[in-house]
Amino acid sequence: ETGVTQTPRHLVMGMTNKKSLKCEQHLGHNAMYWYKQSAKKPLELMFVYNFKEQTENNSVPSRFSPECPNSSHLFLHLHTLQPEDSALYLCASSQPRQSSNEKLFFGSGTQLSVL
Amino acid sequence: RKEVEQDPGPFNVPEGATVAFNCTYSNSASQSFFWYRQDCRKEPKLLMSVYSSGNEDGRFTAQLNRASQYISLLIRDSKLSDSATYLCVVTIYNQGGKLIFGQGTELSVKP
Repeated sequence: ETGVTQTPRHLVMGMTNKKSLKCEQHLGHNAMYWYKQSAKKPLELMFVYNFKEQTENNSVPSRFSPECPNSSHLFLHLHTLQPEDSALYLCASSQPRQSSNEKLFFGSGTQLSVL
Repeated sequence: RKEVEQDPGPFNVPEGATVAFNCTYSNSASQSFFWYRQDCRKEPKLLMSVYSSGNEDGRFTAQLNRASQYISLLIRDSKLSDSATYLCVVTIYNQGGKLIFGQGTELSVKP
């Protein structure tokens, strides 16, 4: 148990559906992240929040919409996704960005399939 | 050129073998270095940080060569439980501490 909880573990959705991924961390961290992991590819950073403020958006399509209501919770709202968006979506947390020893703690991920 | 590049793998080794993974990074402003381990269908977990002086944790030894911009991970006396994908990770100082992941090297330890 890493202290970062993601739900749901698995999600199957159609291209017209709207769904949300949820992440909660119990580690007292102030930075939270969404990563995408597609088969045989490196982890791709999607969004970064530092102290609830979005500090990075890596050219992610608008069909992915993050929300960070507080330092412990992070959501990823999904709508009108494409089949190529099928991947493992990982949430992570760490001490604030720019710290000299940043280490990530990951949730178990949501395996998303878009039909 | 990829920012972080790892041995393509997969590595298939017998139990008890010694195996080494290499990782190169392209940005000389890279500041911190890590090895993460990812089991099949699971999340990555930090295995160890990599320090300039090198560091050892049991059967695992990590080395950093800043001049050549590469990092290595040595696993001695491989166990079946070491089978996983090993991810090389660097942070880029002049990109706000951004973490860059390599594509991973898969290790399979056989009986």
